[in-house]
Amino acid sequence: GAVVSQHPSRVICKSGTSVKIECRSLDFQATTMFWYRQFPKQSLMLMATSNEGSKATYEQGVEKDKFLINHASLTLSTLTVTSAHPEDSSFYICSARTGSEKLFFGSGTQLSVL
Amino acid sequence: AQTVTQSQPEMSVQEAETVTLSCTYDTSENNYYLFWYKQPPSRQMILVIRQEAYKQQNATENRFSVNFQKAAKSFSLKISDSQLGDTAMYFCAFSPSNSNSGYALNFGKGTSLLVTP
Repeated sequence: GAVVSQHPSRVICKSGTSVKIECRSLDFQATTMFWYRQFPKQSLMLMATSNEGSKATYEQGVEKDKFLINHASLTLSTLTVTSAHPEDSSFYICSARTGSEKLFFGSGTQLSVL
Repeated sequence: AQTVTQSQPEMSVQEAETVTLSCTYDTSENNYYLFWYKQPPSRQMILVIRQEAYKQQNATENRFSVNFQKAAKSFSLKISDSQLGDTAMYFCAFSPSNSNSGYALNFGKGTSLLVTP
């Protein structure tokens, strides 16, 4: 099956710093990628939808200036958490959609902000 | 807006037994997709089964099957011959079939399933 690679798997950073998370589709071109956030023992909440070559569409309540999404190529989308604070600590998961409308998930990134 | 409701936060089943996880949803769409995803402790999201709303036949994948009741907006998952490896969080999810949303998934809150020896 298709593979979506997400890095890093775990990151610890100091409050006020920025963190970049990468999501790559390894064997297919992903015209659309999605970013989710998951707090402990909770569900996945959609943060934004990212289309290659255009601006991301953010869900209500998600700060676009804080969570910068770049989808510069058909195989790579990045999420940058700017000026991270402890409340941004969470599990972030990306997913990528193939041309046949199948969806594959990355393995997630656990962000801990001290 | 679509909502997905999973009313069972936790469930337990003995190995080799059958368990059913419930899911209801609310939508005004006529065409859509429904999914069950499994999230084991590794937190990797694994697709268990997918159902297209226009198909009346219930989807099955080996030990996993669904009972899709479109009129009742119900989409339950039955796991037969439960195995220890089935222990995980199970999420029901909805996706419209139109491209406006990019086919983004809307997840329920999940059911934590524990399979005991």
